[in-house]
Amino acid sequence: GAVVSQHPSWVICKSGTSVKIECRSLDFQATTMFWYRQFPKQSLMLMATSNEGSKATYEQGVEKDKFLINHASLTLSTLTVTSAHPEDSSFYICSARYLAESSYEQYFGPGTRLTVT
Amino acid sequence: AQTVTQSQPEMSVQEAETVTLSCTYDTSESDYYLFWYKQPPSRQMILVIRQEAYKQQNATENRFSVNFQKAAKSFSLKISDSQLGDAAMYFCAYRSLLGKLSFGAGTTVTVRA
Repeated sequence: GAVVSQHPSWVICKSGTSVKIECRSLDFQATTMFWYRQFPKQSLMLMATSNEGSKATYEQGVEKDKFLINHASLTLSTLTVTSAHPEDSSFYICSARYLAESSYEQYFGPGTRLTVT
Repeated sequence: AQTVTQSQPEMSVQEAETVTLSCTYDTSESDYYLFWYKQPPSRQMILVIRQEAYKQQNATENRFSVNFQKAAKSFSLKISDSQLGDAAMYFCAYRSLLGKLSFGAGTTVTVRA
């Protein structure tokens, strides 16, 4: 099946700094990528949807100036957490979708654990 | 946004036995997709099974099967012959044809040896 990678898998940063998380579709072209946030033992919360070459669409309540999303190519999307604070510590998951038949399959990356100290 | 409800926070099953996870959803659409995802301790989301709403036949993938009741908006997952590797958090999810996934709160499955 299609593979989605994320880098880094775990990052620790100091409060006030910015951190970038990369999401790559390794063997397919992802027209749409999604970014989720997940707290321990909770469900996935969609943060934003990004389409290649256009601005991301953020879910209600998600600060677009804090969580910058760029989808510059069909295989790469990045999430930058700007001026990170301890409350931004979470598990971030990306997923990618490509056109396959009519099912629009969506594949998930392994996630990135962000710890802000 | 569509609502997906998983009413069982935790389920426990004896190895080799069967467990059923419940899921209900709310939608006004007639065509959509339903999914069950597994999230083991590694936290990698794994697709377990998918059901297209226009198909009346229940989907089956090896030991995993669903009971799709469209009128009742119910989509339960049955895990047969449970194995230790089935221990994970299971999420029910809804997606309209071109839309976004809406996840339930999840059910943690524990398998007893």
